[in-house]
Amino acid sequence: LAKTTQPISMDSYEGQEVNITCSHNNIATNDYITWYQQFPSQGPRFIIQGYKTKVTNEVASLFIPADRKSSTLSLPRVSLSDTAVYYCLVGDYNNNDMRFGAGTRLTVKP
Amino acid sequence: EPEVTQTPSHQVTQMGQEVILRCVPISNHLYFYWYRQILGQKVEFLVSFYNNEISEKSEIFDDQFSVERPDGSNFTLKIRSTKLEDSAMYFCASSLTSGISSEQYFGPGTRLTVT
Repeated sequence: LAKTTQPISMDSYEGQEVNITCSHNNIATNDYITWYQQFPSQGPRFIIQGYKTKVTNEVASLFIPADRKSSTLSLPRVSLSDTAVYYCLVGDYNNNDMRFGAGTRLTVKP
Repeated sequence: EPEVTQTPSHQVTQMGQEVILRCVPISNHLYFYWYRQILGQKVEFLVSFYNNEISEKSEIFDDQFSVERPDGSNFTLKIRSTKLEDSAMYFCASSLTSGISSEQYFGPGTRLTVT
C-alpha cells in the first residue's frame, strides 16, 4: 500500500483556486489515486479519482504527472462550504484496507 | 441519489455492555465496510466484507468485534464488551466494486459513547 503525504492544513479565501498536493513515491503500476472530502461529523465523500494525466468532474480536477509520484487536487473558486478535510488515498482493486492519513484541513475564509 | 443509512445516530452504553450498530448499504452494492473515527482523529479502517465473509480486517478489529449481514439489506457491527476507548464515530460504507480504486459511499455515522 503506497504511503501518502499531504500538508496538514491550508487556508484560502472565497473565490480562490485551491491546489492540494499529495506525494505517493511508492505508487504501484495498478494503483489509482482517489480523493475524499470530509465535513465535521459526517462520513467521507468521494470527490474524484484518476490514474494518469488529468481528470475533471463537476467538483474538482485531479492532475497527475507522468511519473505518478504525486497528484494535485484542484478546487476552483472555493466557497466557505468547501471547508473540510481532504484525504488522498492510493491503491488498487485488491486493497480493501483503506488507510486514511491525517488528510489536509482546508479552511476557507470570507 | 441512493445513500447508505445507519442507525442509531447516537448510542450511549455502559462499559462492558454489548452494542450492535446497524447499516443499510446501497442496494446493488456488493462490498461493505466499517470504519471508526475517534473525536479529532483520522478515519480508521476496521473491516471489509464481501460474499458473506470478511475479506480484510485491521489490527483494531479484534475478537470483541464481529460483523454480519443477517438479511439481504442490513449490515451490522457488534461490539461484545464495550470499553471506554471504543467511544467514537462509526461509519459504514459500501461499494459496487472492490478496493481503494472503487468509489465507497459512506453513511452518516453512529456516534457511540461508552460511559
